[in-house]
Amino acid sequence: AQTVTQSQPEMSVQEAETVTLSCTYDTSENNYYLFWYKQPPSRQMILVIRQEAYKQQNATENRFSVNFQKAAKSFSLKISDSQLGDTAMYFCALVGAGSYQLTFGKGTKLSVIP
Amino acid sequence: NAGVTQTPKFQVLKTGQSMTLQCAQDMNHEYMSWYRQDPGMGLRLIHYSVGAGITDQGEVPNGYNVSRSTTEDFPLRLLSAAPSQTSVYFCASSFSGTSGVHNEQFFGPGTRLTVL
Repeated sequence: AQTVTQSQPEMSVQEAETVTLSCTYDTSENNYYLFWYKQPPSRQMILVIRQEAYKQQNATENRFSVNFQKAAKSFSLKISDSQLGDTAMYFCALVGAGSYQLTFGKGTKLSVIP
Repeated sequence: NAGVTQTPKFQVLKTGQSMTLQCAQDMNHEYMSWYRQDPGMGLRLIHYSVGAGITDQGEVPNGYNVSRSTTEDFPLRLLSAAPSQTSVYFCASSFSGTSGVHNEQFFGPGTRLTVL
């Protein structure tokens, strides 16, 4: 079985500041994939960033970057220069390389304050 | 491309009624899946399919049936609705390899279902 834990139910950040969302996971797979998805108030799920576990380099997408610590089984998301449009629920997700079942965390509600 | 479409957007049922949530995608994705989203629970996988004629159970399959007769469509059936099935339901699709799904999931807009 695999688990994903997001320990921060809610967070807030001032506009233009930087915020880090935490995610820890557990899996018995040697190779796996990790994701961060964003769900704004519109309810639409949008992929933010994807990380392949066998790649040591942390993934980056514009203002979004991850800190992937494989030994610690940690996969945090850093949002730089926060914008009002970043206000959303953020979900961390995991899938084993040989699996068809994604496991999601319970989510972190991020509010960006003007 | 329309992407992933779901109908209806909202539905209210009485306990014991049946209904089908529709999901379609026009991206020729092999993999399709259904999730339910409950407050404080994240998204939980109900059923998934890796191609036409192939389906399998996810984490919370009880009370739901699926079939996949075409690549494009993946309907979710509630045979006898219960209040515990009140939730927001998402359909998703992606490309998949022969040994797993590790590409971006494309999600539909969701269906909010209330069972009285």
